[in-house]
Amino acid sequence: AQSVAQPEDQVNVAEGNPLTVKCTYSVSGNPYLFWYVQYPNRGLQFLLKYITGDNLVKGSYGFEAEFNKSQTSFHLKKPSALVSDSALYFCAVRKNSGGYQKVTFGIGTKLQVIP
Amino acid sequence: EAGVAQSPRYKIIEKRQSVAFWCNPISGHATLYWYQQILGQGPKLLIQFQNNGVVDDSQLPKDRFSAERLKGVDSTLKIQPAKLEDSAVYLCASSLIPLSTDTQYFGPGTRLTVL
Repeated sequence: AQSVAQPEDQVNVAEGNPLTVKCTYSVSGNPYLFWYVQYPNRGLQFLLKYITGDNLVKGSYGFEAEFNKSQTSFHLKKPSALVSDSALYFCAVRKNSGGYQKVTFGIGTKLQVIP
Repeated sequence: EAGVAQSPRYKIIEKRQSVAFWCNPISGHATLYWYQQILGQGPKLLIQFQNNGVVDDSQLPKDRFSAERLKGVDSTLKIQPAKLEDSAVYLCASSLIPLSTDTQYFGPGTRLTVL
């Protein structure tokens, strides 16, 4: 069975400082990994994904994520946090299985950027 | 391009009542997904459609939940009868192709409260 762990319920970071939101996964075979952001009363917005190739993936709003196969991790990063980055962040793993997709989301990490 | 549309945005019902949610995916997107997001948890996939056919409904509580996607475009998710534990945000998403590598685009969700 595949799973996603987001070990931190909340991450606090000062504006202008680098931020990291952690994600580890468990899946057989090659994983397809995604990060989404959710603002209050909004749906999930796609940030970035790792399919194959370069381990460092760049996405929307200055975010990037590093795929580490040996550590089964896909941490989300940003060099300089903005107050507007405060939101709920979800990591997800997807895999093709028997003609359809198996999708698993983490429980989410609340990012609070302090002015 | 227009995003994924959902209605209503909010719904309050009493237990044992029925409720229906509507979703209109992005034009041309063949794959449509319904997710349940309970407060404090990540989204859980309920059902996946490819055009107007169901490809995965393994996590759909079929004794009370049903979904259809007539003509392969918009979709309706129904709960009958509702239970207290059905209180959640119901998210609809669509993607162009039914592959795990393809990006899903989410609607704003319908927040259901069951009293």
